[in-house]
Amino acid sequence: DTGVSQNPRHKITKRGQNVTFRCDPISEHNRLYWYRQTLGQGPEFLTYFQNEAQLEKSRLLSDRFSAERPKGSFSTLEIQRTEQGDSAMYLCASSLSLDRGVFGANVLTFGAGSRLTVL
Amino acid sequence: DAKTTQPTSMDCAEGRAANLPCNHSTISGNEYVYWYRQIHSQGPQYIIHGLKNNETNEMASLIITEDRKSSTLILPHATLRDTAVYYCIVLIYNQGGKLIFGQGTELSVKP
Repeated sequence: DTGVSQNPRHKITKRGQNVTFRCDPISEHNRLYWYRQTLGQGPEFLTYFQNEAQLEKSRLLSDRFSAERPKGSFSTLEIQRTEQGDSAMYLCASSLSLDRGVFGANVLTFGAGSRLTVL
Repeated sequence: DAKTTQPTSMDCAEGRAANLPCNHSTISGNEYVYWYRQIHSQGPQYIIHGLKNNETNEMASLIITEDRKSSTLILPHATLRDTAVYYCIVLIYNQGGKLIFGQGTELSVKP
């Protein structure tokens, strides 16, 4: 178990370009979450998957953002036509959940994040 | 949604206990209290969680009041490496298990 892995760790891009981040969760975890964090703020929820199904998307996830988890293992978060306001740390987390929506305890393990800078 | 209130910042002397308070007066009976911390430029790290009873693990202790409207995270012997932002979070029942982070408490452990 190597924890949650995120790549790339840092990405600098020009406004208007597309970027993609990858998250490899802990292997037995069936839930995967994406968060965004800007400087001085707590992480903000974007979306989550149970296996390959995307079960919830935040209103923060505009139509320029798309997330996939095609085989229920790794996930990608793509941002199209990046804007300077997209500059942030993008965090991925995973957890093992036995229930589909009704929860008791649910411990999320976070990755180190992917920092995006849009020039 | 059950929201939490934490002090913005706290200081603690190295070697002393750090007691971090959190108010969650609107918590429901089946909602868990979680604590995470985030050291600068790293992802959040899980510390502990609880429902009704006090909990202890190798990192910290969690004291939850009987009415469950507040809790305290205790780091028994704070070190400089405990300097971080500490988040108290109520896990929303029946909402996918996602954590909703607030602003947290910035704990500075000083020599």
